[in-house]
Amino acid sequence: GAVVSQHPSRVICKSGTSVKIECRSLDFQATTMFWYRQFPKQSLMLMATSNEGSKATYEQGVEKDKFLINHASLTLSTLTVTSAHPEDSSFYICSAIARQVTDTQYFGPGTRLTVL
Amino acid sequence: AQSVSQHNHHVILSEAASLELGCNYSYGGTVNLFWYVQYPGQHLQLLLKYFSGDPLVKGIKGFEAEFIKSKFSFNLRKPSVQWSDTAEYFCASYQLIWGAGTKLIIKP
Repeated sequence: GAVVSQHPSRVICKSGTSVKIECRSLDFQATTMFWYRQFPKQSLMLMATSNEGSKATYEQGVEKDKFLINHASLTLSTLTVTSAHPEDSSFYICSAIARQVTDTQYFGPGTRLTVL
Repeated sequence: AQSVSQHNHHVILSEAASLELGCNYSYGGTVNLFWYVQYPGQHLQLLLKYFSGDPLVKGIKGFEAEFIKSKFSFNLRKPSVQWSDTAEYFCASYQLIWGAGTKLIIKP
């Protein structure tokens, strides 16, 4: 089946530093990737949608200069949290849609970011 | 704004009990509704989806869901749960608007 990986699974960083999270589709080409943020005891919140080779589309209220998304290839999207602060601590999940099966998202395992 | 609500945040059942998890969506028009499951320590996985047609949708692992347009509901059901169904269940619309999730615990 379609597999999506995320790296790292956990990251702890100091306030003010930047953190990059990678999302890879391992066995399929992902035309679209989504980035979500999940707060404790809350639902997933869509942050942005990225299509290969074009700029990401950010949801209302998400700072595009803070959460940089790059979808450089059909198998890789990266989310960079710039100048991270403690309030950015969260669980970040990516998902991907395959070129052939466009109505189903395949999810990565998530990345737990803790900003000290 | 579109929204999806799940009625219960936590549900505890005994094995072999029947399950129904509620999900309501807030908009009219075309619907694309999904149920996802997240087992402990694992990725989110698609259980089933509904776009149109037969309102009773069958998914994996014995789950089904019924779309009731008049009630704006898409409840998830399973006639007899197993301990291995312990997980968190999410209802979503267009895969982009998510309910808060329901943690299901099955007592052996």
